Amino acid sequence: AQSVTQPDIHITVSEGASLELRCNYSYGATPYLFWYVQSPGQGLQLLLKYFSGDTLVQGIKGFEAEFKRSQSSFNLRKPSVHWSDAAEYFCAVCQTSYDKVIFGPGTSLSVIP
Amino acid sequence: GAVVSQHPSWVICKSGTSVKIECRSLDFQATTMFWYRQFPKQSLMLMATSNEGSKATYEQGVEKDKFLINHASLTLSTLTVTSAHPEDSSFYICSAPDAPAGTQYFGPGTRLTVL
Repeated sequence: AQSVTQPDIHITVSEGASLELRCNYSYGATPYLFWYVQSPGQGLQLLLKYFSGDTLVQGIKGFEAEFKRSQSSFNLRKPSVHWSDAAEYFCAVCQTSYDKVIFGPGTSLSVIP
Repeated sequence: GAVVSQHPSWVICKSGTSVKIECRSLDFQATTMFWYRQFPKQSLMLMATSNEGSKATYEQGVEKDKFLINHASLTLSTLTVTSAHPEDSSFYICSAPDAPAGTQYFGPGTRLTVL
């Protein structure tokens, strides 16, 4: 069965510092991979997705993620964090682009000035 | 781009009553839609798969008689929480795949509070 793990429940970074959020997945084939962000009381916003091709994916708001098949990882990065990036981040996986989405437990990001 | 809407965005009801939540795909047809539930400070958990013209498929542990799903058209799925109790208070989110576009869209969510 597909599963997603996000080892870090909560991360705190200083504004302007770099960020990396970890994500590992368990799936037999290469799945469709996503990163979503959710602000308190809000819905999901898609940051980026990977289906195939270039393993370094660029997303919105200056985020990028790198797919590493050998490590079954899809880590999210941002070179310089802004205070508005404080939110909950979910890594997610599905078998195809129109299949049910399996979400990781989420990582809560706090940004200190 | 394609959008998925949900109505209502929030609802407060008394314990024992039923609440209906709508999920609509705008500008595209969705033969399948998914319903998720998110409790406070938790992740999204799939509740059921809604199939147009046929019965919904429920995930293990989700009571099908309590969470009634109807996918009456290619653009509308409804989730009815019957005899709601405070423990049903949650954030309910639907999603709809746009198969030709090869992507999936999430609704903005419905916050249900049961008093």
